[in-house]
Formats: sequence, structure tokens, C-alpha cells
Amino acid sequence: GQQLNQSPQSMFIQEGEDVSMNCTSSSIFNTWLWYKQDPGEGPVLLIALYKAGELTSNGRLTAQFGITRKDSFLNISASIPSDVGIYFCAGQLNSGGSNYKLTFGKGTLLTVNP
Amino acid sequence: ETGVTQTPRHLVMGMTNKKSLKCEQHLGHNAMYWYKQSAKKPLELMFVYNFKEQTENNSVPSRFSPACPYSSHFFLHLHTLQPEDSALYLCASSQSWGSYNEQFFGPGTRLTVL
Repeated sequence: GQQLNQSPQSMFIQEGEDVSMNCTSSSIFNTWLWYKQDPGEGPVLLIALYKAGELTSNGRLTAQFGITRKDSFLNISASIPSDVGIYFCAGQLNSGGSNYKLTFGKGTLLTVNP
Repeated sequence: ETGVTQTPRHLVMGMTNKKSLKCEQHLGHNAMYWYKQSAKKPLELMFVYNFKEQTENNSVPSRFSPACPYSSHFFLHLHTLQPEDSALYLCASSQSWGSYNEQFFGPGTRLTVL
């Protein structure tokens, strides 16, 4: 099956710093999603990307759908303590049947020191 | 109440017990999902129901049994579980099973099997 490599596994940063994380795949996706999960909660959708090359922002978050359709990155600018959590990427092929499943990365654990 | 809710939030059970997890969504969605989340592993899709019909069973052992009597209610019946089944079980919903599959997650049930 398809697999996503998400990196880095964890990050320790100071408040105010910018953050970048990415996901790569051995095969193409037609949709990329980025989620954040707070401790004890379920993942919350941050950004959805539907077109190769698309760059989308949501406040301090910016995500891009790679032009090869095999990668995506998420940037967080001017980090704040509430950015702490696990960030997941997810890809979908959209070609029908079981290809509607989301394939998730293992997550990036972000810690922000005040 | 809005969004996806799950009950109970925490469950401890013995290997011979029978219990059920409940998920409700108030988003008007037609597709519902059960995922298993274990430490340091990607989210594992277990079941998908679309318009109350099972669409995906991701080779899940028969000790897990899904039921979807209404599009808004999704159950996961548990019996004779094993300690390795201990995990966070997440329910999600989306408009329907297919493209543009933005899934919205509940807070999860933390299951411990003794």
C-alpha cells in the first residue's frame, strides 16, 4: 500500500520561531490534508489542498501541494505556545474504490518553549 | 451539540468483556469511519460506512464489529479483545465516501484491555 514519510518526527523550538514540516510519498496523491491533534483530542483539519502547485494559507499556517503530487509541506510562522501538538499529513488518491482512503503520516510532534 | 462526539472517552475492559463504543455526528454527513491510533504509528483505518452500508473493512479481526443503524450514529462492538488492542479509537465523518474526503474527527475513546 501507499506510505507517507513525514519529517521531522519531532521539533523543539522557541516561541516566535518559524516551523516547517513535510511529507513525501512514493506515489502520487490528488488531495493533501494537514491535521493537528492536541493531547487527548482527535485530529482537527487545518488545511486541504486539491491541486498540484496549490499554496494555501490559514492564518499563520501555509501549506503547499507539491508540483510532482508526491509531496506537501506545512509552515507555521511566528509560533506560539498553543501550536504545541502533533501535526499529521494525509493523502488521498481519489481514483475510486479503496483509493478514497486517506493515507496518514506518522506525525510531527511540535513543542514550543515560551 | 455540533461536530463528532464519542462515548465513552475512556474504557478499561477485561479480555472476556463485551463493550461498545459510540460515535455521533451532527454535521449531516453520510460517511463514517473508525480508526485505531497507536503510539508512533500512522492512523489505521478500520471500517467505513457510507449511507449506512459497509464500504471498507480493512482486514479487521472479527472481535471488532461495526454497526451503523443511522447515518449519524456509528458503533464499534468489542468482544474478547487482546491487550494489543489497547489504543485510542477515533471516529470520523465526511460528506460521503469519495473525492474531497475531508474527514472530521471525534475526540476518541482511550481503550485499555487488561
